[in-house]
Amino acid sequence: QSVLTQPPSVSGAPGQRVTISCTGSSSNIGAGYDVHWYQQLPGTAPKLLIYGNSNRPSGVPDRFSGSKSGTSASLAITGLQAEDEADYYCQSYDSSLSGSNVFGTGTKVTVL
Amino acid sequence: QVQLVQSGAEVKKPGASVKVSCKASGYTFTSYGISWVRQAPGQGLEWMGWISAYNGNTNYAQKLQGRVTMTTDTSTSTAYMELRSLRSDDTAVYYCARAGTSGWNDYWGQGTLVTVSS
Repeated sequence: QSVLTQPPSVSGAPGQRVTISCTGSSSNIGAGYDVHWYQQLPGTAPKLLIYGNSNRPSGVPDRFSGSKSGTSASLAITGLQAEDEADYYCQSYDSSLSGSNVFGTGTKVTVL
Repeated sequence: QVQLVQSGAEVKKPGASVKVSCKASGYTFTSYGISWVRQAPGQGLEWMGWISAYNGNTNYAQKLQGRVTMTTDTSTSTAYMELRSLRSDDTAVYYCARAGTSGWNDYWGQGTLVTVSS
């Protein structure tokens, strides 16, 4: 049971905007720790999508954006494309777990 | 280019141990940490722990304390993860990843499937 909660699934038509929430608490996101986001295509290793709440690594399209407020963070995908269909995970640090990193529960994005 | 290449799939019996290797190339090994993450079949990602390739400091997930050991060999730029007293619920794909200063993991190995079965 992760301390970071994400919706199990979100969906949208091509070209639409979807957002994925990552809800934490005062011992992780709310404590000011950075949030990172990963995309995992079927059968492949995760790929870093957003680091430090809102920064994109080189090569990640600007259709992907991250934000953080209070005890939650969000990943937005604008101009949804078929190749965006994947699982998405948030990650942060939690001070209540003997100082451990933790992943969110994961969200499956379906392109209709 | 940065690459992390992991050792091959393993099949182990309950109670045994497994040691997975992760050979890094394309960057200064001691300038980053290495995270280990696992994913059980059909499940989400689980953070297992982290090791500094600079000084060997480690931070393990609470639930794995006492069963996991992470080490590095700076002479070969290789990280290792050993998991002992294996149980069936340790069956998973195990990933290593290069870890940055605030915990992000920017390059990942290809994954190693560990199957625990009698």
